[in-house]
Amino acid sequence: SAVISQKPSRDICQRGTSLTIQCQVDSQVTMMFWYRQQPGQSLTLIATANQGSEATYESGFVIDKFPISRPNLTFSTLTVSNMSPEDSSIYLCSVDWTGSNEQFFGPGTRLTVL
Amino acid sequence: SQKIEQNSEALNIQEGKTATLTCNYTNYSPAYLQWYRQDPGRGPVFLLLIRENEKEKRKERLKVTFDTTLKQSLFHITASQPADSATYLCALSITGGGNKLTFGTGTQLKVEL
Repeated sequence: SAVISQKPSRDICQRGTSLTIQCQVDSQVTMMFWYRQQPGQSLTLIATANQGSEATYESGFVIDKFPISRPNLTFSTLTVSNMSPEDSSIYLCSVDWTGSNEQFFGPGTRLTVL
Repeated sequence: SQKIEQNSEALNIQEGKTATLTCNYTNYSPAYLQWYRQDPGRGPVFLLLIRENEKEKRKERLKVTFDTTLKQSLFHITASQPADSATYLCALSITGGGNKLTFGTGTQLKVEL
């Protein structure tokens, strides 16, 4: 299985600021995804991070709020922009590296916005 | 609207018994369904995948059934152990949706001694 790391593991941020979360995979993967898990809730897909092109966002998520970079096949970043307390969540990246549709998740980044 | 529902109430069972978790969905045509385990403070871990043309899948103490007529999947853990205590999530991938997953709300399982 792929080993996935995320940085930071947690952060406390002030309203109106932005935070960039990094996701690093130990092998090249085609598909990378970003999810949000709000307190007590399940996972919601934010976007698919595409290497070499713009991310594909799900309904309710926009690039201005959640810009995503995917410079290569092992790395991606998600930025949470102009944060508000409603953005307090766990943010997770995942990969489908075998093409088998099984997804492997990173440990998550716990974000608290004050 | 599309929905994926799992038992919201925690399931408490005794060690050694079989735990059965339910996943119901509406207004989906899933290509396949997956089950994940999530421990507190950690990302989900893949357990099993079952395709729309499969009725049952097994892996060690785990068994998944998939009834596309009832629009339901059942997830069984036999000979349950306290280490099986976690939240279990079902996730659907729809036909033509690529590898995108939509997750259910999860059911918390607690296995007691």
